[in-house]
Amino acid sequence: KQEVTQIPAALSVPEGENLVLNCSFTDSAIYNLQWFRQDPGKGLTSLLLIQSSQREQTSGRLNASLDKSSGRSTLYIAASQPGDSATYLCAVRRTSGTYKYIFGTGTRLKVLA
Amino acid sequence: SQTIHQWPATLVQPVGSPLSLECTVEGTSNPNLYWYRQAAGRGLQLLFYSVGIGQISSEVPQNLSASRPQDRQFILSSKKLLLSDSGFYLCAWSLLAGVGETQYFGPGTRLLVL
Repeated sequence: KQEVTQIPAALSVPEGENLVLNCSFTDSAIYNLQWFRQDPGKGLTSLLLIQSSQREQTSGRLNASLDKSSGRSTLYIAASQPGDSATYLCAVRRTSGTYKYIFGTGTRLKVLA
Repeated sequence: SQTIHQWPATLVQPVGSPLSLECTVEGTSNPNLYWYRQAAGRGLQLLFYSVGIGQISSEVPQNLSASRPQDRQFILSSKKLLLSDSGFYLCAWSLLAGVGETQYFGPGTRLLVL
């Protein structure tokens, strides 16, 4: 059974810091992994999607890496800003043939001005 | 461009009452559609997904049901709500190809069962 864990559950950093959010999964047989951002009381916004054959994806100040063999993904945020404050969730999709994503419980990030 | 709508945004219902939440997608055809529930302090739980009209897969046994009467319409229902049905309900859509199967989420419906 696939389980997705995100540690830490909450993180506070001063503005300008580079930071890393972690996501680990127990079954390395994944189809892809997706990082999302969720603002309080809102839906999820997709940030980056990494296919199982890829090692990383970049979008602006965000970089996500994937190491399937060790069951880990990281989301790197460069030069953090107060506007980055949100909950970040990762989700893995099992191998092709199923449309089910398993979500982690998220890391709640607060960037202090 | 594609957009996804959910309504109502907020709902307060008594225990035992019926429920109907609606989700519609615009700007795409034949999307995969999903219903998730997010309870306080817990991750997103997939409730139902659909790959086409009338095709519904249930992930968790419960007193909820889903229907897809039209290509871009997904409805979550219950005949009798329980206290444990309280939560934040999110609808999402994705395509099989082109955008790498990214999931796009709606704004959500907050349900409080009293």
